[in-house]
Amino acid sequence: QKEVEQNSGPLSVPEGAIASLNCTYSDRGSQSFFWYRQYSGKSPELIMSIYSNGDKEDGRFTAQLNKASQYVSLLIRDSQPSDSATYLCAVSFTGGGNKLTFGTGTQLKVEL
Amino acid sequence: NAGVMQNPRHLVRRRGQEARLRCSPMKGHSHVYWYRQLPEEGLKFMVYLQKENIIDESGMPKERFSAEFPKEGPSILRIQQVVRGDSAAYFCASSAAGQINSPLHFGNGTRLTVT
Repeated sequence: QKEVEQNSGPLSVPEGAIASLNCTYSDRGSQSFFWYRQYSGKSPELIMSIYSNGDKEDGRFTAQLNKASQYVSLLIRDSQPSDSATYLCAVSFTGGGNKLTFGTGTQLKVEL
Repeated sequence: NAGVMQNPRHLVRRRGQEARLRCSPMKGHSHVYWYRQLPEEGLKFMVYLQKENIIDESGMPKERFSAEFPKEGPSILRIQQVVRGDSAAYFCASSAAGQINSPLHFGNGTRLTVT
C-alpha cells in the first residue's frame, strides 16, 4: 500500500514566524511531489511542486525534497493569519501516471 | 480562462436515490480525476478518465459507483442507491496531460448530503 503520512496538527505558530510542515511517503521511486492548501469548505489549491532533491523557493514558500529519506517539507516564512489552512502533501507514485495520493493534511493556525 | 467547473455545488438526496455529479475540465485539459473527501479526512482517489476511456478506477467502490467522460460533454460521476455513508465532498480535478509532472487543478467540489 503506497502511503503519504502527515502529522494532522494543529500546528500553531505566531504571526511572522516560520511554519514547517512535514510529509513522508512510502514509495522510493516517486518522482513528483506537490503541496496544496485547502481552506475550510473550499477546494485544494496548488501552491508548490517539486521534482528533484533540494530546495525550491517561491515567495514565502520553500519546498524541500529528500528522496533518500523519502521526505518532503514545506516552509512558510513570515507566516500570516491568512496562511491558516490545511496543507495537503500529494505524491505521484511510480506507475500511477498522474494520479496523486494525498496525505490527510496538517492544519496550520497562525496566531496574532 | 475558466477553471474546472463542477455542478451542482450542493446536492441533497434521500437514501436510495441516485446522485449525478458533473465536471467540466479546464480548457485544453483532457484528463479528469475524481476524489472524495469525507469530513475530517484527506482526499481519496476514486477514478481517472480520459475522453471515452477509464484509465484507472482502483479507488472506485465496486458497487453503485460509476464514472464516464464522453466524447462530448462533462465527466459524470454517478452514485446509485445512495446511502448516508456516501455523504462527502466530491472533487474533480483535471490536467493537461497524463504525465507525472502535470499538476492537477481542482474544481470547487460537490457537497453531497444523503438524508
